[in-house]
This record gives sequence, structure tokens and C-alpha cells, in this order.
Amino acid sequence: ILNVEQSPQSLHVQEGDSTNFTCSFPSSNFYALHWYRWETAKSPEALFVMTLNGDEKKKGRISATLNTKEGYSYLYIKGSQPEDSATYLCAFLTGAGSYQLTFGKGTKLSVIP
Amino acid sequence: NAGVTQTPKFQVLKTGQSMTLQCAQDMNHNSMYWYRQDPGMGLRLIYYSASEGTTDKGEVPNGYNVSRLNKREFSLRLESAAPSQTSVYFCASSPAGGPYEQYFGPGTRLTVT
Repeated sequence: ILNVEQSPQSLHVQEGDSTNFTCSFPSSNFYALHWYRWETAKSPEALFVMTLNGDEKKKGRISATLNTKEGYSYLYIKGSQPEDSATYLCAFLTGAGSYQLTFGKGTKLSVIP
Repeated sequence: NAGVTQTPKFQVLKTGQSMTLQCAQDMNHNSMYWYRQDPGMGLRLIYYSASEGTTDKGEVPNGYNVSRLNKREFSLRLESAAPSQTSVYFCASSPAGGPYEQYFGPGTRLTVT
């Protein structure tokens, strides 16, 4: 069973603060790393899928970086807003052609107005 | 365009009863997945279907069966429900495996007493 660790488990920030979280995954046999945003009472929505070492993705105020050699990805949120409050999940895919995502337990972000 | 739909939204079963969770997608995706979400755990893959006509076990398949009825529909069956199967079940779909993001349904909250 692959181990995907996310830290911190939860985070409270003030509106306007910038923040970041970490996803750690096995560095061997890497194929892809997914980030999802999961709001309470909704279903997870994809933010990014990253496949290349050094990859950087951006969507509005949210960005992510990937280091496959050391097995980690960072998700950054610039100028947090209350609507950013959600649980952020990362998921690791090993091996080309694989379908089995292994999810971390998530980082729960609360943005205080 | 409804995306991924699941029925029912809520269900209460007694131990030993059987039921089928239904999932359908209208995005012409090849691949479909069933996950369960338990407190303190990440999303865990139960079964997946890489393409119409194929199904494969995920991380936690025991106690479940699946049917890929056609390209649109993928059902999950509990033959003899157990309290350990109390969970929230999510169906997802993607164009294919690998670097493609997954689209999730709204979930089914199942309680087995």
C-alpha cells in the first residue's frame, strides 16, 4: 500500500493571508500527482494534474509545484478568501497506464473573514 | 450536462440486506471508479472500470461487486451489507487513466445498522 502524506492536517488563516500545504509521496515509479479541492457537502473537484518534475501549475490565486525526485508537491494559495475554505486532497498515481489513485487524508483549510 | 450522477443520495440498510448503488456519467468518459470515504481516511478505491467491458479491483474490494453496464453506467453492489460498510460512496469518471483528472459524483451516504 502506497503512503501519501499531507501536512498540516488542518489550518486556520486570516482572510488575505497566503498559505501553503505539502503532499509527500513515494519518489519511485512516479507517474502523476493530482490535487483536488473538496468543499463541505460537495464532491471533490480537480485543481491540477502534474506529471513532470519541476512542473508548476496555476489557476487564479492557487498554484502548485512538483518535485518527483524527492517526492513532494506544494500547493500555494495567495491572498486567501473565505471561499477558499475547503479540504485540499492530493493523490498519487504510480506507473504509466495505471488507474489507481492513492489519496492523502487532506488538509482542511479554514479562512477566517 | 449533468456530469456524474449517483442514486440514491442516502440509504439505511440492516445487516445482511443487499443493495445496488447506481452511477451514470454523460461526458463520454471511458473510465469509471467507485471510492469510499471514511472518517480519518483518505478516499479509497473499491473497484474501477478502465473501459466498457472491463472491471478491476482497487484497494478495498471485499464485500462488493461491480457491473459496467455500458459506457455511461457503473453500479456497485453490496450483496450482504455489514456495519463496516457504513460510509460515503463516491463514483467518479475520467477520459482514461493516468494523467486525466477525475470527475466526482455527489456521493451516497450509506448506513448499515
